[in-house]
Amino acid sequence: EAQVTQNPRYLITVTGKKLTVTCSQNMNHEYMSWYRQDPGLGLRQIYYSMNVEVTDKGDVPEGYKVSRKEKRNFPLILESPSPNQTSLYFCASSLSGADTQYFGPGTRLTVL
Amino acid sequence: GQNIDQPTEMTATEGAIVQINCTYQTSGFNGLFWYQQHAGEAPTFLSYNVLDGLEEKGRFSSFLSRSKGYSYLLLKELQMKDSASYLCVPNTGGFKTIFGAGTRLFVKA
Repeated sequence: EAQVTQNPRYLITVTGKKLTVTCSQNMNHEYMSWYRQDPGLGLRQIYYSMNVEVTDKGDVPEGYKVSRKEKRNFPLILESPSPNQTSLYFCASSLSGADTQYFGPGTRLTVL
Repeated sequence: GQNIDQPTEMTATEGAIVQINCTYQTSGFNGLFWYQQHAGEAPTFLSYNVLDGLEEKGRFSSFLSRSKGYSYLLLKELQMKDSASYLCVPNTGGFKTIFGAGTRLFVKA
């Protein structure tokens, strides 16, 4: 089944404790992206990747890191999480940046 | 700059028809996506318009006017399960994606 998976689905952590949210797709898509969604603000793009080893900043990259060492995986790293990073995070993939995006189920992160 | 404008909320009755409008201003434009998102869930693809005009897909239709920077999503025979947010997303041709806040649709019995 074609899908985008994210782990964990739910995470409660404390300020400053490094964490990684994994994202994997099995559709051989070139493009992958991370978004955060906060009430009333819609989806905001954090980082995106056009292909392996090629990443760039979205609109809200501060406090986040990404890597794209393999085509299928695009992990999101929070080196030192803060409470303002409490949010719902979605990973997405598409054939290219201009195609339909397929979203993972989301990761609800709470930083205390 | 880039701007997407949709109504924040709409309410409609089961069985009725509702039209969700979207106006956009972008630096580039190749087409327009509509996504549906139920509360707490991932967005899912509904439609993509490249050319002007109406495209029909079952109960859902989407219209595009490139010259006016305008699109709408038409939902017919509304069902309770259509209660969701609807996201208008211009394809600017670049790698960045801009989502508006979307329109929250409430369907009442």
